Amino acid sequence: TQLLEQSPQFLSIQEGENLTVYCNSSSVFSSLQWYRQEPGEGPVLLVTVVTGGEVKKLKRLTFQFGDARKDSSLHITAAQPGDTGLYLCAGARTDSWGKFQFGAGTQVVVTP
Amino acid sequence: GAVVSQHPSRVICKSGTSVKIECRSLDFQATTMFWYRQFPKKSLMLMATSNEGSKATYEQGVEKDKFLINHASLTLSTLTVTSAHPEDSSFYICSASLSTIQETQYFGPGTRLLVL
Repeated sequence: TQLLEQSPQFLSIQEGENLTVYCNSSSVFSSLQWYRQEPGEGPVLLVTVVTGGEVKKLKRLTFQFGDARKDSSLHITAAQPGDTGLYLCAGARTDSWGKFQFGAGTQVVVTP
Repeated sequence: GAVVSQHPSRVICKSGTSVKIECRSLDFQATTMFWYRQFPKKSLMLMATSNEGSKATYEQGVEKDKFLINHASLTLSTLTVTSAHPEDSSFYICSASLSTIQETQYFGPGTRLLVL
């Protein structure tokens, strides 16, 4: 099984601060996705990264895929209370086509 | 686009009864749908992969006779929790992959199941 380790598990910051969430593995993934999930709802796709070294920006969110496609990071600049949620990374497995391996999730809380 | 719905959003049932959860892709055809289970404050655990017109593939440790999956069309998959028990109480989420973009999946809003 291709495992994805996500860190930190929990992050509490004040509005305006920056934060970074990491997703690491010893395995290669063909692509990696980041989601945000709010309580009682399904995960919402934020971005898919496919190419090693790829950097994608979505407003204040910056996503990076490692050169070797084994790790990824999500950076939020000037966090806002609306960024609060459970952030999940998911890698498209190469050992089982079509399936995804999820990280444990990072609970982010942004206080006003 | 790429909207996935689930029904019901929440259900309460008595122990021993069966519960059916529907997952629909509303604006696209999904050759593959996935069923996940999520415990409070935890990540998603893949239960099974559902392909249209064929038997579902279950992950290790998931009882196929307990969690019946049917993928009758390219837009509908159902999960039936048979003879539900309190330990089956959980948040069940489905996702669907676009037929032409296999490495992107879109999630439904989830179904909260409470077995009394």
